[in-house]
Order: sequence, then C-alpha cells, then structure tokens
Amino acid sequence: QQQVKQSPQSLIVQKGGISIINCAYENTAFDYFPWYQQFPGKGPALLIAIRPDVSEKKEGRFTISFNKSAKQFSLHIMDSQPGDSATYFCAASNSSASKIIFGSGTRLSIRP
Amino acid sequence: DAMVIQNPRYQVTQFGKPVTLSCSQTLNHNVMYWYQQKSSQAPKLLFHYYDKDFNNEADTPDNFQSRRPNTSFCFLDIRSPGLGDAAMYLCATSRGAASNTEAFFGQGTRLTVV
Repeated sequence: QQQVKQSPQSLIVQKGGISIINCAYENTAFDYFPWYQQFPGKGPALLIAIRPDVSEKKEGRFTISFNKSAKQFSLHIMDSQPGDSATYFCAASNSSASKIIFGSGTRLSIRP
Repeated sequence: DAMVIQNPRYQVTQFGKPVTLSCSQTLNHNVMYWYQQKSSQAPKLLFHYYDKDFNNEADTPDNFQSRRPNTSFCFLDIRSPGLGDAAMYLCATSRGAASNTEAFFGQGTRLTVV
C-alpha cells in the first residue's frame, strides 16, 4: 500500500530525444506527487510536482502526466540534454501523514 | 544559500562506536526527516519529527535514534554502527501543511564504517 513502483531502472536517450519515466502507486490517500532529481554525491532536489486534481503539469522541458483512475504518473523530459543525466525519483505523499515515499529511482543517461 | 545543512559531509566511524550526524535548517519548517540511502537505491525513511512529535518507521532498527532539541536542529544517533549502516544519510524538511508538502534536502552525510 505504501509502495511507489518506478520504471525503468535505467534509461539511455539520445540528446534531443524525449525521456519518459513511469510510476504507479496503490494508496489512494496519496495527494502529492513530486519528482526529484539527484546528481552523484548530492541530495535530491525537487524538479516538479503535481496534485491529483490536474492531469498534466508542465514546467519548461519537464512535464508530469497524471492518470488518477489508473493510479499512474509519468515524467517526460523533452529535448533531453547531457546535463539532464542524473537519477530521477518519483515520490508520493499523504499530506496528513507528512511522509514522503520514494520510488526505486531511474538512472538517466543522455548521449551527446 | 544553503537552507538544510548537514554536518559533517563525510564521517568515518569505527564498528560499534557511537556516531552522531547533525542537520540544521533555516526554513523554520515544522517537519524534519532522516533518510538512509544506500548506493543506487532510493532514500529510505527512518523517522521524522512533526514539531516535537517523533514518528518512527516500523522497520527502523533500534540502533537508530533521533533528537530534535529545537525547530532548527535535528540529530541522528547511531548507537552501535555496523558495516551495513554505511550509507548516505539525508536530512530533509517540509512545512508539513496540507497545501504544501515539498521537501528540501540537505547535501547528505556519507558514513563509512571501518
């Protein structure tokens, strides 16, 4: 119930391509779905987040698509750049519980 | 300007020797979290404080303790570190309000057990 399942584990995309990472959850009490970007040796940093009252949120090259009925959400990185190479974690939280549960992570590599 | 500061960045401790990691925040957030992250794995929540209320995860070993003497500071105490406790330890904060649960992470402390 508390799990957030993330795929793929690793992803290689050519520069300029679209990177897509998928996540699924079970707990319908989750009401906040952030994506974090982590570079080696650094802490995770919030990239973009969505609440279940909208189906899509776009910030620059980053878009979250959210399907409430399927309990799935995904991150799309348009025009992927080598600087986007990092590990990406989806997460989910229940604001009343203040807990943030992370997916297993996706190591993204953008080839020049 | 760092908002969540962890010290030290790197910590080497001996097997079985107690060690304390520290975290401070300038955001005045209600919630402070401690996560353990092993290589190529997701951060795993150990416990969190909502103000002074301590919330332990069911699978967090008793070897891990925490203290929050005031809003700004939170400590992670590992009473008898084992080799399996070598990891990156991440501190994070959030407002905890229903309208905004964004978490801000520190740079982490990498713990080595020898």
